[in-house]
Amino acid sequence: GENVEQHPSTLSVQEGDSAVIKCTYSDSASNYFPWYKQELGKGPQLIIDIRSNVGEKKDQRIAVTLNKTAKHFSLHITETQPEDSAVYFCAASEDFGNEKLTFGTGTRLTIIP
Amino acid sequence: DTGVSQDPRHKITKRGQNVTFRCDPISEHNRLYWYRQTLGQGPEFLTYFQNEAQLEKSRLLSDRFSAERPKGSFSTLEIQRTEQGDSAMYLCASSLRLVGTDTQYFGPGTRLTVL
Repeated sequence: GENVEQHPSTLSVQEGDSAVIKCTYSDSASNYFPWYKQELGKGPQLIIDIRSNVGEKKDQRIAVTLNKTAKHFSLHITETQPEDSAVYFCAASEDFGNEKLTFGTGTRLTIIP
Repeated sequence: DTGVSQDPRHKITKRGQNVTFRCDPISEHNRLYWYRQTLGQGPEFLTYFQNEAQLEKSRLLSDRFSAERPKGSFSTLEIQRTEQGDSAMYLCASSLRLVGTDTQYFGPGTRLTVL
């Protein structure tokens, strides 16, 4: 089955700086890669996703890049703000049939004011 | 609020008791997923439904666990004879399965504590 590894497990950045979180996956059949943000006591919230037919996707301060050859994808957050503090999870799945998500272990991001 | 809802939000039970959780998906979403999340970990897949059909169950879902989605709308997850190892957050997600897309939206979860 799929295995997703995520690094780092914790990340602290100064407000206004950029944050990068990296994930690798094992199953070459995976072609859908969402990122979720989870705040304390809440369910995961989708913030951005990418499919294997593109290498990069941006949404305002958030971007995701995908390297299918190397089987890794990354989340980039620019101009970080205190409200970006949360746990971020990457995930991978196949885009056909059962699209069950396999999640990474999470990155606790802390923005230092 | 038209998002995924789960009930109850918190459940404390004694070992050996049965518990049941409910999930109401986003209206007209045809897929419904259950995940379990333990402290410090990412969610792990348990099972999923397309309409009322349960299409896959993880090996994590022991015989003590059963899930239903009788009319293809809300779903229930029952745990019989609870054990302390069942303590976790149980998350429900729903999606509208169309060709080439299946974005999953999560509910707030039910936190189960087994004493």
